[in-house]
Amino acid sequence: KAGVTQTPRYLIKTRGQQVTLSCSPISGHRSVSWYQQTPGQGLQFLFEYFSETQRNKGNFPGRFSGRQFSNSRSEMNVSTLELGDSALYLCASSLAYNKNTEAFFGQGTRLTVV
Amino acid sequence: TQLLEQSPQFLSIQEGENLTVYCNSSSVFSSLQWYRQEPGEGPVLLVTVVTGGEVKKLKRLTFQFGDARKDSSLHITAAQPGDTGLYLCAGASMYSGGGADGLTFGKGTHLIIQP
Repeated sequence: KAGVTQTPRYLIKTRGQQVTLSCSPISGHRSVSWYQQTPGQGLQFLFEYFSETQRNKGNFPGRFSGRQFSNSRSEMNVSTLELGDSALYLCASSLAYNKNTEAFFGQGTRLTVV
Repeated sequence: TQLLEQSPQFLSIQEGENLTVYCNSSSVFSSLQWYRQEPGEGPVLLVTVVTGGEVKKLKRLTFQFGDARKDSSLHITAAQPGDTGLYLCAGASMYSGGGADGLTFGKGTHLIIQP
């Protein structure tokens, strides 16, 4: 059974540009969450999607957005990139929409903003 | 805002020693998960504890959930170099809607096991 796939693995962008990251969850999983990981702040929750609907959103500016497709694949977009957006972006998939459901992470996309 | 404090932040010990890392909060969690992350990779789920006082064992790793579901510990017996990594605890809120939303992560314990 394939795990969570995130593409691309690495990305370098310039300040002011926008970026789209992709996540394919484990087959059969319908919940996808996104996290930002930095050395200073650790893992911070961005948002969570279930059945194509955003169910919850973390404390990030509106430049961060996402969506989920009918096949449960998800994308997140960051517009007007800032240097501080450099981070490892992690996607996690879960089987169902339940607070005790285990989350399985992809390898992440390392975004560097220069 | 729920916070999970992990301690110690950094730990470097010799192969064969025992160690315990802690995850503490003033908030109650419906469940708590432990992950291990290696550089450049995503976190890998080790265990989920749900019931207060629950103890789970995974080979040389023992996980305990506090009776009040506010804290947890991870004990490693006879540590090996392969145990090296960033250990993260994550709590699922009692009050969030569900899924992985509201997973609050600690900042992690960087563990190095020297041969």
